[in-house]
Amino acid sequence: DVKVTQSSRYLVKRTGEKVFLECVQDMDHENMFWYRQDPGLGLRLIYFSYDVKMKEKGDIPEGYSVSREKKERFSLILESASTNQTSMYLCASRSSGRASYNEQFFGPGTRLTVL
Amino acid sequence: GDSVTQMEGPVTLSEEACLTINCTYTATGYPSLFWYVQYPGEGLQLLLKATKADDKGSNKGFEATYRKETTSFHLEKGSVQVSDSAVYFCALKGKQAGNMLTFGGGTRLMVKP
Repeated sequence: DVKVTQSSRYLVKRTGEKVFLECVQDMDHENMFWYRQDPGLGLRLIYFSYDVKMKEKGDIPEGYSVSREKKERFSLILESASTNQTSMYLCASRSSGRASYNEQFFGPGTRLTVL
Repeated sequence: GDSVTQMEGPVTLSEEACLTINCTYTATGYPSLFWYVQYPGEGLQLLLKATKADDKGSNKGFEATYRKETTSFHLEKGSVQVSDSAVYFCALKGKQAGNMLTFGGGTRLMVKP
C-alpha cells in the first residue's frame, strides 16, 4: 500500500519561530509537492521537487523554503512563521512516468496554527 | 494561466438523493481532468480521472464526463450515502512544463440520514 506520511498532524507555533514540516514517501517517487489548503481557495502549490536536491517554486513560495536531501524526504521550512501562514499543509508525491495522468498521492496533512 | 472553478458549498443532501457538483476549467490545449476526495481528517485521494474529450471517469458510483465544448467536468452520483460526506476537489493537469495540478476551491458535501 502506497504511503505518504507527514511528521505532525497538528502543530502550534509562535510568530517568528522557525518551523519544519517533514514529509516521507515510500514509493520511490521522483516528484514531491507541498501545498497549503485554505477554505474556498482549494490547494495552492508552494514548492515542488522533481529530484534529489532539485526544487522549483510553485504559485505561492514567499515565506517558505524547501529541502530535498534524500529521495524519500521533502521538508518545508518556514524561516520566520507568521500568522498568515496558519493553514493546512499537504504533501504529495508522484512518479515521473510518461503518462500525463500519473496520480499524486497525498499525506494526511499538518494543521499549523501560528499564534 | 490554468484555472478551475467549482460550485461553492456546502452541499447538503439527504441519503439516496442525486448529486451534481459543477466544475469548469480554463486551460490551453487538452488537459487531463481529475476529481479528488478528502474525507474528514485525511489527505486527498484520487476519485476518478479523464484524459481526453468525451472520456467518462467513474469510481464508487461517481461519474464525470470530460466535455471539451463546455470545458466542464461535473461530478455526479445517482444515490448518495452518508459515507460520501467529504470535500471534493476538481483539478486539471495542463500541458505546461512540470505537469502541475491546478485545483478548484473544493466543495463540501454533507449527507444526512
